[in-house]
Amino acid sequence: DAKTTQPPSMDCAEGRAANLPCNHSTISGNEYVYWYRQIHSQGPQYIIHGLKNNETNEMASLIITEDRKSSTLILPHATLRDTAVYYCIVRITGANSKLTFGKGITLSVRP
Amino acid sequence: AAGVIQSPRHLIKEKRETATLKCYPIPRHDTVYWYQQGPGQDPQFLISFYEKMQSDKGSIPDRFSAQQFSDYHSELNMSSLELGDSALYFCASCRQINTGELFFGEGSRLTVL
Repeated sequence: DAKTTQPPSMDCAEGRAANLPCNHSTISGNEYVYWYRQIHSQGPQYIIHGLKNNETNEMASLIITEDRKSSTLILPHATLRDTAVYYCIVRITGANSKLTFGKGITLSVRP
Repeated sequence: AAGVIQSPRHLIKEKRETATLKCYPIPRHDTVYWYQQGPGQDPQFLISFYEKMQSDKGSIPDRFSAQQFSDYHSELNMSSLELGDSALYFCASCRQINTGELFFGEGSRLTVL
């Protein structure tokens, strides 16, 4: 069963911020929110993850609501190379925990 | 930095043949995962190994088997190949003591004719 729901697609203009939403209303207290992306037929690429605090790295920012039932991945200045399928995944870290991919959201960055 | 290495990158087989895919994890990574991604599909988890022991099993057909060797590399063996086995097969590795971030290889594309 999918534990996250994402819109199927969205687009944004190059250079603008891309805000990708994700709902995970049944998330457990020990589950993290992970974001991965897959550029056409390449291996999925880790972007960021968080538990309850907002997180930022060189690729993106992750905003998690206080109730942890939803989150938003922010790409601050989208480029054409950010066009990909973005997966929001909830997962327990460690304990040999696998990633379970859902449908993901296809982000198209237009010139 | 070293990444996950998969071989071969491309493989063409006939129905009912056997195929073996190899995965070399990032050095010091102790866990390997295998995923299958059919055309237009999302990656589906097949099986994982931690410290050379099977740790989890997903939707892996009985015709498939896998193992992790003493040097931590892993092999996925697929027998009696069917047309529906045509897919991208990804291997990922991680080090459990860390945050558990998975690093994926570039995949092996299997085509069954």
